[in-house]
Amino acid sequence: GAGVSQTPSNKVTEKGKYVELRCDPISGHTALYWYRQSLGQGPEFLIYFQGTGAADDSGLPNDRFFAVRPEGSVSTLKIQRTERGDSAVYLCASSLLADNEQFFGPGTRLTVL
Amino acid sequence: SQQGEEDPQALSIQEGENATMNCSYKTSINNLQWYRQNSGRGLVHLILIRSNEREKHSGRLRVTLDTSKKSSSLLITASRAADTASYFCATRATSGTYKYIFGTGTRLKVLA
Repeated sequence: GAGVSQTPSNKVTEKGKYVELRCDPISGHTALYWYRQSLGQGPEFLIYFQGTGAADDSGLPNDRFFAVRPEGSVSTLKIQRTERGDSAVYLCASSLLADNEQFFGPGTRLTVL
Repeated sequence: SQQGEEDPQALSIQEGENATMNCSYKTSINNLQWYRQNSGRGLVHLILIRSNEREKHSGRLRVTLDTSKKSSSLLITASRAADTASYFCATRATSGTYKYIFGTGTRLKVLA
């Protein structure tokens, strides 16, 4: 079956702009995670959804970052007033339940100029 | 510093040799997972081991967990050039969080 997909694969934007990154999880997976990864580092947790609700958003760095999952499937990560330090690969992962193996998407490479 | 720290940071071995990498963490955990990341972006799940388990096997992979030492090891036997990748451990603490914390990874290079 289809894996986790993310769009766009690459996004270049200017400092101060707003961006949306989309994640399509595996059908039937209730758990969805967003991470970001900088070069040479491991993924850094941002937010976890159980169904439609954000069960843990402790990793969001500040209030410029927001994520939604209105129908319990597709999720959108929204970044306002982007800064150069937001440049990273943003990864989405889904799993059947909270403590099962996570299936990762290919990521969105965000570059803020 | 990160909850999960892999050791060594980099490892270079010949094809056919075994590769061992270690992960240390700081708090009590619910489970520990190992992932592989090839150059590019996708992470692939390898093994999940729960806090009440001590050892798991999957093909050429063997994972151990020592909760008293807060450490885990990943052994890859009879390595192949295709095993060249970065390997990460990820842990979730037991107390009131769904946050998975990844270490900085071990970069494994298998020479043909």
